[in-house]
Amino acid sequence: EAAVTQSPRNKVTVTGGNVTLSCRQTNSHNYMYWYRQDTGHGLRLIHYSYGAGNLQIGDVPDGYKATRTTQEDFFLLLELASPSQTSLYFCASSVGQGQNTLYFGAGTRLSVL
Amino acid sequence: QQKVQQSPESLIVPEGGMASLNCTSSDRNVDYFWWYRQHSGKSPKMLMSIFSNGEKEEGRFTVHLNKASLHTSLHIRDSQPSDSALYLCAARDSNYQLIWGSGTKLIIKP
Repeated sequence: EAAVTQSPRNKVTVTGGNVTLSCRQTNSHNYMYWYRQDTGHGLRLIHYSYGAGNLQIGDVPDGYKATRTTQEDFFLLLELASPSQTSLYFCASSVGQGQNTLYFGAGTRLSVL
Repeated sequence: QQKVQQSPESLIVPEGGMASLNCTSSDRNVDYFWWYRQHSGKSPKMLMSIFSNGEKEEGRFTVHLNKASLHTSLHIRDSQPSDSALYLCAARDSNYQLIWGSGTKLIIKP
């Protein structure tokens, strides 16, 4: 079973605060993704990457930065957090794009007060 | 409006019964479909995928796909309480991106 580890599992911050969410996969997968999940919206893609140093913009990128430092590590950065970014965040990985199973981490629940 | 619509939003099925979930894309450029299952408090896990017209069966789970109508359905027979979960449908578009539906919440009543 593919392994994707997210940290922290829960995070509370204040409006305007800085937050970094971390994700590590040990599957040797090329693609990594950051999603947010909100009731009524399903999963929405924030950013994704197909390798170290690469970054692609997803469907809801505003207010988020991301960086893929290695094959294994993908970070999501919220530099001026707002209450609208309160959500459940999932990291996922896949071998390739578009035809492969996504393997998700356990998720990070972020609250912005 | 979401490009991938799932129905119903929620569904209650008695234990041992048949659950039928639907997913339709309004984006004509999608081709492949996946069903993911997400238990409460957990992450989504791929359940079944279907790429060709017709039917695919794995144990108690059957998936149908009609490419002409861009409609897929998931059927769970002999439903068990452990099947209670959020079921997410995803479709691949022409840019190889996944478009996700907002899910069907399935509750199996003992």
